[in-house]
Amino acid sequence: GAVVSQHPSWVICKSGTSVKIECRSLDFQATTMFWYRQFPKQSLMLMATSNEGSKATYEQGVEKDKFLINHASLTLSTLTVTSAHPEDSSFYICSAPKAGDDEQYFGPGTRLTVT
Amino acid sequence: GENVEQHPSTLSVQEGDSAVIKCTYSDSASNYFPWYKQELGKGPQLIIDIRSNVGEKKDQRIAVTLNKTAKHFSLHITETQPEDSAVYFCAASIREYGNKLVFGAGTILRVKS
Repeated sequence: GAVVSQHPSWVICKSGTSVKIECRSLDFQATTMFWYRQFPKQSLMLMATSNEGSKATYEQGVEKDKFLINHASLTLSTLTVTSAHPEDSSFYICSAPKAGDDEQYFGPGTRLTVT
Repeated sequence: GENVEQHPSTLSVQEGDSAVIKCTYSDSASNYFPWYKQELGKGPQLIIDIRSNVGEKKDQRIAVTLNKTAKHFSLHITETQPEDSAVYFCAASIREYGNKLVFGAGTILRVKS
């Protein structure tokens, strides 16, 4: 199979600060990566699609200036939550498909807590 | 856009019994239907998937059926074990639209021993 990692696995930050989450495909190249947010006892909601070499595309209702996405290379995408507030506390999960494949490989998730 | 509905929201079964979770989707263009198992604090894990050109797929105790006409697909787990207890999500995507997954609301499965 293919492996996707996330770093950090959990982070606590103070309100008003920014935090960066990394998503890496360890053994394959990913021109596209997806970022999801999952609140407690809820489903995964797609936030944005990260595209290597071009701008990310955001789902309706997701603030692109608040959730900055950078697809720096074929194996790395980062999500930066800017000016975090307690309501941004959530479980953030990334996924990546292999080229030409329907299957997506999910990372282990990052638990963000904003105090 | 695509909408995926999942039922039931919770399901309790006795160890050894079968469990069935059902999903319906709205966009007839959907062509990929994965099922995920998620344990607390972890990312979702693919357990089985099916593509629109197939009606049924089986992998040991797990099977998925797809009815394109009715736009619904189901997960079947036989001989359930306590370690099957988790949250299960169905999802649907359209390959031609970039494979963006739309998830169902999830089913909490509890297997009682």
